[in-house]
Amino acid sequence: GAGVSQSPSNKVTEKGKDVELRCDPISGHTALYWYRQSLGQGLEFLIYFQGNSAPDKSGLPSDRFSAERTGGSVSTLTIQRTQQEDSAVYLCASSLGGQGRAGELFFGEGSRLTVL
Amino acid sequence: GNSVTQMEGPVTLSEEAFLTINCTYTATGYPSLFWYVQYPGEGLQLLLKATKADDKGSNKGFEATYRKETTSFHLEKGSVQVSDSAVYFCALSDRGGSQGNLIFGKGTKLSVKP
Repeated sequence: GAGVSQSPSNKVTEKGKDVELRCDPISGHTALYWYRQSLGQGLEFLIYFQGNSAPDKSGLPSDRFSAERTGGSVSTLTIQRTQQEDSAVYLCASSLGGQGRAGELFFGEGSRLTVL
Repeated sequence: GNSVTQMEGPVTLSEEAFLTINCTYTATGYPSLFWYVQYPGEGLQLLLKATKADDKGSNKGFEATYRKETTSFHLEKGSVQVSDSAVYFCALSDRGGSQGNLIFGKGTKLSVKP
């Protein structure tokens, strides 16, 4: 399909393990975002990539969280030494860009992470 | 800092009822305002947007007007359908003209009964 693709759709892990979540943005979209959606907490911004610029990491909750975007396309969000409070749905979104398109994000269906 | 506050749900309505979901914001400058919708089992999708004061965004029978004087962007629909059952998120873009991240409200779950 032509939408934002995320994998895995569901991940159950044990406390202390590392996890990697993958995002394939829409082809041609220059901006990529990661958000976290917790029950009753809305969407929490994590990190934002725009082209070749340095990413905006201001939303990452701790140094256990990191993300990279290779070749301006696929992105991986890594959570090290997972904790139970990391349990949430991790959403990826991409955007076409340009002033007229600011805020028009296309979201994937998310990766649901459960830390036991 | 910038923030978005929207009415807490869940909201339960009968089909063809009038819908209002309140959203107010706090922001410096002139943000753009958005409503996103998340249907069951699907990803969030943009419903409508407004980029400056007094603009009205509309889509699928939904409307919202950017009111700078009351810092509000309430979502309305005159006659809801069962298919409108979803979670609705109000959001603002706090970096006008660029691609900075969106700040979202906590979401309002709408259930429409036949």
